[in-house]
Amino acid sequence: ETGVTQSPTHLIKTRGQQVTLRCSSQSGHNTVSWYQQALGQGPQFIFQYYREEENGRGNFPPRFSGLQFPNYSSELNVNALELDDSALYLCASRSEGQPGTYNEQFFGPGTRLTVL
Amino acid sequence: DQQVKQNSPSLSVQEGRISILNCDYTNSMFDYFLWYKKYPAEGPTFLISISSIKDKNEDGRFTVFLNKSAKHLSLHIVPSQPGDSAVYFCAASVRSGGSNYKLTFGKGTLLTVNP
Repeated sequence: ETGVTQSPTHLIKTRGQQVTLRCSSQSGHNTVSWYQQALGQGPQFIFQYYREEENGRGNFPPRFSGLQFPNYSSELNVNALELDDSALYLCASRSEGQPGTYNEQFFGPGTRLTVL
Repeated sequence: DQQVKQNSPSLSVQEGRISILNCDYTNSMFDYFLWYKKYPAEGPTFLISISSIKDKNEDGRFTVFLNKSAKHLSLHIVPSQPGDSAVYFCAASVRSGGSNYKLTFGKGTLLTVNP
């Protein structure tokens, strides 16, 4: 069983640029969430995708956007990068189960984004 | 406004002793709580969880206790092993809110288990 993978591992961009981060969900998982972890902080929820649609969003501006593809892989796009966007970006996948059940999220290793 | 708080940035214990990591929350809507462990250069790994209808959940060396009236939970690791050295995150969610399983994390506690 393949776990959650993310690419690239590290990325350096300059202010104002755009970036795309990629995530491959764990086999059998149909829901993907993205989190931002700034230095010294816990992960912060950005948004979640289920059946290729965003179905939950945290307190992040619209320049953070995403996609989920039919194979359940996902992209996180960030436009007009700011210095504060420097962080570890984590992708997590899970399987949407029956109502009343809860399947845990499995995290990828993250992409370290540095904005100069 | 931090809804999940881990007030101890770090904790150091001797191998074989008990490690107790604490977590407080402010949002009464949270009904599901989780602990994740994170090693450097890896993503968080799920450790153990507890529903708000329980006050204790045990899995091997790991036990999570929930005190709803105090809005407090703790993770006990007995006995602690050097391989347990990692950052531990407490997380909470509103499971009854449908399919949006947003996790709200604390800032983490760095546990060091000394041989």
